[in-house]
Amino acid sequence: AQSVAQPEDQVNVAEGNPLTVKCTYSVSGNPYLFWYVQYPNRGLQFLLKYITGDNLVKGSYGFEAEFNKSQTSFHLKKPSALVSDSALYFCAVRDISSSNTGKLIFGQGTTLQVKP
Amino acid sequence: KAGVTQTPRYLIKTRGQQVTLSCSPISGHRSVSWYQQTPGQGLQFLFEYFSETQRNKGNFPGRFSGRQFSNSRSEMNVSTLELGDSALYLCASSLEGHYEQYFGPGTRLTVT
Repeated sequence: AQSVAQPEDQVNVAEGNPLTVKCTYSVSGNPYLFWYVQYPNRGLQFLLKYITGDNLVKGSYGFEAEFNKSQTSFHLKKPSALVSDSALYFCAVRDISSSNTGKLIFGQGTTLQVKP
Repeated sequence: KAGVTQTPRYLIKTRGQQVTLSCSPISGHRSVSWYQQTPGQGLQFLFEYFSETQRNKGNFPGRFSGRQFSNSRSEMNVSTLELGDSALYLCASSLEGHYEQYFGPGTRLTVT
């Protein structure tokens, strides 16, 4: 069965410093991976995806993610954190156990706290 | 383009009642998925609709149901509400052939 793990409940970083939010996955075939961000009382905003191709994926708001097949990881990164990046971040994998489905399997989420 | 819209945004119901939530996808998106978000269980998939057909269903009791209309708008219904149904219900739409889903702001359901 497909699964996603976000090992850190919370990540704290100072403004201007680089940030990393970790994600590992388990799938039986090629992974389709996503990162979403959620601000309080809001829905999820799509940040980026990895389907195939370059291992470094660039997304919205200066975020990028590095796909590592051997480590089954898809860590979210940003070179310089902003206070406004403080939010809840979700990693997700598309369920490919049955064809033609859009079902996403989410990690438990990581709260990112960026301090001034 | 307008984003995914969900109505109502907030809802308070009593145990035993039923509730209907509505979702309008992004124009041109024919796939609509529903998710339940709770602090304890996180984000869990409810069901997915495409062209008025349920394409996939999560592991929820039969009290949870949904449908999709010819204009791709979708509704989900929860009957005989329980306290544990209190959650944020998120709707997401996607373009066929594209893998990312775009989420609405959610409906916050509180069952008392």
